[in-house]
Amino acid sequence: DSGVTQTPKHLITATGQRVTLRCSPRSGDLSVYWYQQSLDQGLQFLIQYYNGEERAKGNILERFSAQQFPDLHSELNLSSLELGDSALYFCASSGGLAGDNEQFFGPGTRLTVL
Amino acid sequence: GQNIDQPTEMTATEGAIVQINCTYQTSGFNGLFWYQQHAGEAPTFLSYNVLDGLEEKGRFSSFLSRSKGYSYLLLKELQMKDSASYLCAGGGSTLGRLYFGRGTQLTVWP
Repeated sequence: DSGVTQTPKHLITATGQRVTLRCSPRSGDLSVYWYQQSLDQGLQFLIQYYNGEERAKGNILERFSAQQFPDLHSELNLSSLELGDSALYFCASSGGLAGDNEQFFGPGTRLTVL
Repeated sequence: GQNIDQPTEMTATEGAIVQINCTYQTSGFNGLFWYQQHAGEAPTFLSYNVLDGLEEKGRFSSFLSRSKGYSYLLLKELQMKDSASYLCAGGGSTLGRLYFGRGTQLTVWP
């Protein structure tokens, strides 16, 4: 158990819909990262937050957005869903901002878009 | 660039030693991470190399050559439970994002 929690574990929805994925980092960790893992793309970085502020953006679509709240939990919002958005979405957390910190991954949310 | 290359699949037998290689463009990263991921589960941290050389941690060791853009993960005394995907990831920059390779699926046979 990494100490990172994600809900829900599974999500099945239809094209065009909007969903929200939730992540609680390990106690004390200020950085939260979101990754998408699909069969054909591997693990892709989406976005990073540090202490409530967006710090880095990766291959995140405009239909996707995220935020980190004062209690440090984070939400990833996916809208106008397409079949290709079906993937495992992982949240990870680390203690610091820099890239030499080990990242601890949550169990993931498996999103299926029908 | 951040291209990270590693073999797609490897197989080995129980008790053997296997080396999983990873190459990357040298301008991309300050350090190299290795993660293990069982099917459908979260990646778990194995090692982080920021200096050249070999880091040993039990049955697992990781090597880095920054000038050559090359790393490997060495797994000794293989066990069935080592069957998993091994992900090489570039990182160590001022921001925490990791650039992952596609992963090497290791199958350990009895």
